Amino acid sequence: GDSVTQMEGPVTLSEEAFLTINCTYTATGYPSLFWYVQYPGEGLQLLLKATKADDKGSNKGFEATYRKETTSFHLEKGSVQVSDSAVYFCALSEWYGMRFGAGTRLTVKP
Amino acid sequence: DTAVSQTPKYLVTQMGNDKSIKCEQNLGHDTMYWYKQDSKKFLKIMFSYNNKELIINETVPNRFSPKSPDKAHLNLHINSLELGDSAVYFCASSLQGGSSYNEQFFGPGTRLTVL
Repeated sequence: GDSVTQMEGPVTLSEEAFLTINCTYTATGYPSLFWYVQYPGEGLQLLLKATKADDKGSNKGFEATYRKETTSFHLEKGSVQVSDSAVYFCALSEWYGMRFGAGTRLTVKP
Repeated sequence: DTAVSQTPKYLVTQMGNDKSIKCEQNLGHDTMYWYKQDSKKFLKIMFSYNNKELIINETVPNRFSPKSPDKAHLNLHINSLELGDSAVYFCASSLQGGSSYNEQFFGPGTRLTVL
């Protein structure tokens, strides 16, 4: 079946550092890909999405490109802030719901 | 206005009890979902429901049952609660379940603790 694999955390960075969180997937079809963010004590919020190969999703300085050839959807941000500290989930859509990666906890220190 | 709301936010109960978690969405979506997030933050879909069909993750015990009084609500009933049911439960909704293009909107979660 379909699956999503994320780099294991936790990830700790200093403010203004460059962020990459790796995500790869396996799928029989051509799913849409998503990054969700969960701030402490809160629900999941959509961060960005891409619906087809070579699409780039972007939001709040975060970017991810749907790479069909490498089956990847890595999340990047050029300069992280303390307020970016959260758990980040890569996900793909299946016909009956989302399949999530295990989540990567990011802590940004001032 | 809250798009997807859940009540209660916290639920503490004894083993063996029966409990319900309510979910409402005001987005006009036609598909709703329940997810379980375990202590390691791993999220897994439990149910997908629209007015046509219920899709059940085969790993979900039949003690769990979704009930939809109308298109805007999908409540989760849990019978004979067990310690392993302790988790955070998230409700979500989307347009056109079955389409891979539409993102899901999540509620704030209900933290269930079974003692």
